Amino acid sequence: DVKVTQSSRYLVKRTGEKVFLECVQDMDHENMFWYRQDPGLGLRLIYFSYDVKMKEKGDIPEGYSVSREKKERFSLILESASTNQTSMYLCASTDGRVYGYTFGSGTRLTVV
Amino acid sequence: AQTVTQSQPEMSVQEAETVTLSCTYDTSESDYYLFWYKQPPSRQMILVIRQEAYKQQNATENRFSVNFQKAAKSFSLKISDSQLGDAAMYFCAFTSGTYKYIFGTGTRLKVLA
Repeated sequence: DVKVTQSSRYLVKRTGEKVFLECVQDMDHENMFWYRQDPGLGLRLIYFSYDVKMKEKGDIPEGYSVSREKKERFSLILESASTNQTSMYLCASTDGRVYGYTFGSGTRLTVV
Repeated sequence: AQTVTQSQPEMSVQEAETVTLSCTYDTSESDYYLFWYKQPPSRQMILVIRQEAYKQQNATENRFSVNFQKAAKSFSLKISDSQLGDAAMYFCAFTSGTYKYIFGTGTRLKVLA
């Protein structure tokens, strides 16, 4: 069974901390994505990557960065966490638009 | 800009009844794909059904079917014989020339016993 695994389901961090959210997929997908999900706003794209070491900004990249050193792993980094980054973060991967995304289980991040 | 609109924040349906969730989108592209995703309380987003824009036939997956109206840019999801396990957030999504998806704001479906 193919999987996208997010390392944490719940995280609580303090304002100003550097936060790492990890995502690993075992499907050999080239394309990986980070979204944040907020009530009433749906899913908004933060960053995505088409290949190793490649990254592109999504719609709301401010305050975030990413790293993709290996094909299977795509990390989202909050350089200095703020309370307005409290949200659900979803990782997804795909090998083609025909098949749709495979999502991870999500990480609910609370910044206090 | 491409947009996806789900105008129903919340819907309710009696068990065993049929419900239709609405989705409209806006694009100037002619080649694209549309999806419905389900997000149960456990949070794992699951692909329910997909539709290729070039196909006129509406997609069907068991109790789930779509009404795809390309000219009207409408893509509604019909759930027949609703079950308690259908209770979830449902998201409509669109993708065209890239692998980036645009999602709607979601519809929360409640199934009443």
